[in-house]
Amino acid sequence: ETGVTQSPTHLIKTRGQQVTLRCSSQSGHNTVSWYQQALGQGPQFIFQYYREEENGRGNFPPRFSGLQFPNYSSELNVNALELDDSALYLCASSLLRTEAFFGQGTRLTVV
Amino acid sequence: GQNIDQPTEMTATEGAIVQINCTYQTSGFNGLFWYQQHAGEAPTFLSYNVLDGLEEKGRFSSFLSRSKGYSYLLLKELQMKDSASYLCAVRVSYGNKLVFGAGTILRVKS
Repeated sequence: ETGVTQSPTHLIKTRGQQVTLRCSSQSGHNTVSWYQQALGQGPQFIFQYYREEENGRGNFPPRFSGLQFPNYSSELNVNALELDDSALYLCASSLLRTEAFFGQGTRLTVV
Repeated sequence: GQNIDQPTEMTATEGAIVQINCTYQTSGFNGLFWYQQHAGEAPTFLSYNVLDGLEEKGRFSSFLSRSKGYSYLLLKELQMKDSASYLCAVRVSYGNKLVFGAGTILRVKS
C-alpha cells in the first residue's frame, strides 16, 4: 500500500466526451505526477504539479489538463476523448526529488 | 531525445539469479529508478541509484554506471511471485519527471 489512491478504478467513455480522474496523494507529499500507460508500454509522463503549480509537461496536447488542490490532491482532465486515449492512467506522489509512489491507476476505455 | 532500452522478455528458473539490463540516453540525469509492475497493477518502487555503484536491498540489487549510461537490476533467489514487468526509469529534471523504458517481462518457471 502506497497511500496514493485514485478514482475511479475503471471507466468507459465515448469518443468526444470529457473525463476527470482523481488522485489523493500520500500524506506529506507535495508533488503529484500523472502518467499514461498504454498496453505493453512503459508509463509516459503527462505533467507534474508541485504546490498547486504545473511543474513540467510531457508531449501531450492541451486537451490534457490538470489541477492540484491545497491538500495536494489532484485531478487530470481530458477533453474531446479519442480512441487512442484508452490506457491506464497513473498518479504518482512524492516530495519534489524523492522516489515516486504510484496509485493503483484508472483504466480508461474510450469506445 | 530520450531513449531507454531494456530487453522485452526474460525467463529464469525459481531459485536462480537474473540480471535485467537497462541502457539510457537522456537529456539530463538526476537518478535512475527500478519499479516492479504486476499485470494490471501499479508500479511499485524497488531501487534508486544516483551515484555509480551497487545498491543492495534484500534479494534485489541495482547497479549504475553513469559514464556508460548503463544500469542493471539483479534479482537473487527467484520466487514465482517475482514474475512481473520490471521498469527502468530515469529522472531527467530537477523535479520528478521520469522517463520510462518499455519494461522487461520476467517469467519465473519452476
